[in-house]
Amino acid sequence: EPEVTQTPSHQVTQMGQEVILRCVPISNHLYFYWYRQILGQKVEFLVSFYNNEISEKSEIFDDQFSVERPDGSNFTLKIRSTKLEDSAMYFCASSERTVFGDEQFFGPGTRLTVL
Amino acid sequence: ELKVEQNPLFLSMQEGKNYTIYCNYSTTSDRLYWYRQDPGKSLESLFVLLSNGAVKQEGRLMASLDTKARLSTLHITAAVHDLSATYFCAVDMDSNYQLIWGAGTKLIIKP
Repeated sequence: EPEVTQTPSHQVTQMGQEVILRCVPISNHLYFYWYRQILGQKVEFLVSFYNNEISEKSEIFDDQFSVERPDGSNFTLKIRSTKLEDSAMYFCASSERTVFGDEQFFGPGTRLTVL
Repeated sequence: ELKVEQNPLFLSMQEGKNYTIYCNYSTTSDRLYWYRQDPGKSLESLFVLLSNGAVKQEGRLMASLDTKARLSTLHITAAVHDLSATYFCAVDMDSNYQLIWGAGTKLIIKP
């Protein structure tokens, strides 16, 4: 069964450093998303991406964040200068977005720890 | 601004009992999703509800959607320990498919 994959599973970084989180969406999906979940809290939408551009982004997704689909299979989230409050679980998701709705399939997540 | 509220946020129950989790949302939407999350794990899609009156069932879980009341329910029948998890509802913003999530209901089912 096709699935979304993410690497790394855990990333530890120093405050101020840049990190890149990687995702491989399900191959026939065209819509891609990043979410984050601070430990024990709700899931928060960051950004959606379609046709090589951002469709929507939340207030959380400020200038420190960027997304890219560099090679037709990977989908990356870059945080330019990490802050302590960026520590969270980051989930990538993908979907087909049909008339039957937008069931999003999630990857296993990357736990980002900023020290 | 769309708000999604779940209740209860925490539920501890005995095996064999029935219970319902509620998901209220603040603006019109006719697309609602339920997800399950085990501790430290990812989000697993359970149900996609696309219209008023939609009802879906999978095993001991049944989800329904009332778009007029802006309410979805997730009903658990004869709970078993394996259903222990956190359950999230998420509502689709009509204009842009942005999912807005409830806070989650942590369900603990004791043998």
